[in-house]
Amino acid sequence: DTAVSQTPKYLVTQMGNDKSIKCEQNLGHDTMYWYKQDSKKFLKIMFSYNNKELIINETVPNRFSPKSPDKAHLNLHINSLELGDSAVYFCASSQSFQRLAPDTQYFGPGTRLTVL
Amino acid sequence: AQTVTQSQPEMSVQEAETVTLSCTYDTSESNYYLFWYKQPPSRQMILVIRQEAYKQQNATENRFSVNFQKAAKSFSLKISDSQLGDTAMYYCGATNKLIFGTGTLLAVQP
Repeated sequence: DTAVSQTPKYLVTQMGNDKSIKCEQNLGHDTMYWYKQDSKKFLKIMFSYNNKELIINETVPNRFSPKSPDKAHLNLHINSLELGDSAVYFCASSQSFQRLAPDTQYFGPGTRLTVL
Repeated sequence: AQTVTQSQPEMSVQEAETVTLSCTYDTSESNYYLFWYKQPPSRQMILVIRQEAYKQQNATENRFSVNFQKAAKSFSLKISDSQLGDTAMYYCGATNKLIFGTGTLLAVQP
């Protein structure tokens, strides 16, 4: 069974559109994350939720809005897409989050977003 | 600010040989942990090994081991008996900001 799943795996859209990426984990974890991997393969944390509460919010444009309906889901909505938003977006989860010793993260397969 | 540096963008090794990937970091935290993830062509991120900073003994997972030099803020990954399936991008990372390095692309040659 897939532990962390993301849909869709590929997303091609026009500049200015609004799109969402969904993430679900069936590991019973309390904490979920969104990462962005750009064309140079740099991987950067964007957001983290612990039990549906936002705990990490890095410097990300407010066009990006995470939503956590329950602790097994963390969706990412992006408004007014721009060319620079093209990247691979990874969802991850971990058992819990303690600031000095976060648990091991389990990653989803990634969503490749292409903005034309 | 926390930083993680991987100075080797690409490396190549022959099958069955040993290779070491370098990583240095900078943090003002007194307690933290470090990790290595691999990302094969399938794009899946897979944890290779992690090390708590308070532990002096180097972590080992089968063919993978680390050389953790806390004073030098160095955390290198050694892969012994390299296999073709080890071909991947390898990311070093550090808590507490969940920062990843820029990655090292390792190619294992037959």
